[in-house]
Amino acid sequence: EIVMTQSPVTLSLSPGDRATLSCRASHSVSSKLAWYQQKPGQAPRLLIYGASTRASGIPDRFSGTGSGTEFTLTISSLQSEDFAVYYCHQYDNWPPWTFGQGTKVEMK
Amino acid sequence: EVQLVESGGGLVQPGRSLRLSCAASGFIFEDYAMHWVRQAPGKGLEWVSAINWNSGLIEYADSVKGRFTISRDNARNSLFLQMNSLRVEDTALYYCAKGMMGSIFGVVEDYWGQGTLVTVS
Repeated sequence: EIVMTQSPVTLSLSPGDRATLSCRASHSVSSKLAWYQQKPGQAPRLLIYGASTRASGIPDRFSGTGSGTEFTLTISSLQSEDFAVYYCHQYDNWPPWTFGQGTKVEMK
Repeated sequence: EVQLVESGGGLVQPGRSLRLSCAASGFIFEDYAMHWVRQAPGKGLEWVSAINWNSGLIEYADSVKGRFTISRDNARNSLFLQMNSLRVEDTALYYCAKGMMGSIFGVVEDYWGQGTLVTVS
């Protein structure tokens, strides 16, 4: 099973700040890496897949980079609606498909 | 617009069974793989099971293998999860999610329903 480790656990930032979230895989997942955003009481929303491709309707302030075992999600300028929990997810080596434990982006 | 609506959750005693359903609309259901993913209260996401477009390939997490059965009815645009021998640790919000393609090989889940809550107690 591939273990996904996200850091930091919590990120305290202000609107307008740049957010950098990291995700590390225990083994290479090539570019089969997705990022999801989840707000309280809502389902996860796909932001990025293929490590760097934005999903339909996702603003360009969200960007993803990386391949192999190291990945980064960057939010260039935080908007109020971006404060949420973010999960990385590998879909290369399965079963099982695995998720990171999440990074909470909270308002400072 | 893609819509996934789960139902069938509820409170059930350990050892009993429950059958979840997911009604799909807004896309050609028979063309896409489908998944079940769960989230225990206050916890992260855990993949449970996946089924490809024609039910020819099915996978389960070790934690549910032998107890849960995924199935689909393409004529009714519906996905199911039969859950037997339920345990306290199966308590979670269960989401159905649509794959981006018909295969489950290397394909991400792009749309998720709002989930149905299963409480085993």
